[in-house]
Amino acid sequence: DTAVSQTPKYLVTQMGNDKSIKCEQNLGHDTMYWYKQDSKKFLKIMFSYNNKELIINETVPNRFSPKSPDKAHLNLHINSLELGDSAVYFCASSPPGGELFFGEGSRLTVL
Amino acid sequence: GESVGLHLPTLSVQEGDNSIINCAYSNSASDYFIWYKQESGKGPQFIIDIRSNMDKRQGQRVTVLLNKTVKHLSLQIAATQPGDSAVYFCAENMASTGFQKLVFGTGTRLLVSP
Repeated sequence: DTAVSQTPKYLVTQMGNDKSIKCEQNLGHDTMYWYKQDSKKFLKIMFSYNNKELIINETVPNRFSPKSPDKAHLNLHINSLELGDSAVYFCASSPPGGELFFGEGSRLTVL
Repeated sequence: GESVGLHLPTLSVQEGDNSIINCAYSNSASDYFIWYKQESGKGPQFIIDIRSNMDKRQGQRVTVLLNKTVKHLSLQIAATQPGDSAVYFCAENMASTGFQKLVFGTGTRLLVSP
């Protein structure tokens, strides 16, 4: 069984469109995250939620809106997509004070 | 910190050699450190972690060393195998609250030749 699953795995879209990436974890963790990995492989934290509450927002543009309907899900909605949003987005979850468990990533390409 | 340059630092080794991957971290108050391995097309996978009250921790074929004086972390892989080829990241917990904020280093690509 997949511990952290993201959909879709690949997403190709035009500039200006709105898109969502979904994430679910079955590990029972309270904390979930979104990270962005650019073309240089740099991994940068975007958001962190603990039990549906926003904990970290790393100066991400307002076009990015995470939503956590329950502690097992953290979805990422992106409005008005720009070329620079092209990246691989990783969802993760963690137990308190423990390591992050990552999903397989969602590769977003904005044309 | 931000990634610089066009290419990841690369370490090339022969199968059977020992590998050492280094990482400089930025926050002297960081209390938790993790090494991750990322294979092509996959998410980062946990390898080993260490807390700031330790200076060495060993796992299966891997050892992490922490030098808080110079803010340096290293990952040693014994008897490196082709399956170890991947990008390796160190991460430090930079949270000032009770919640974690793992910040990743720029990564090192390990290439293992048969």
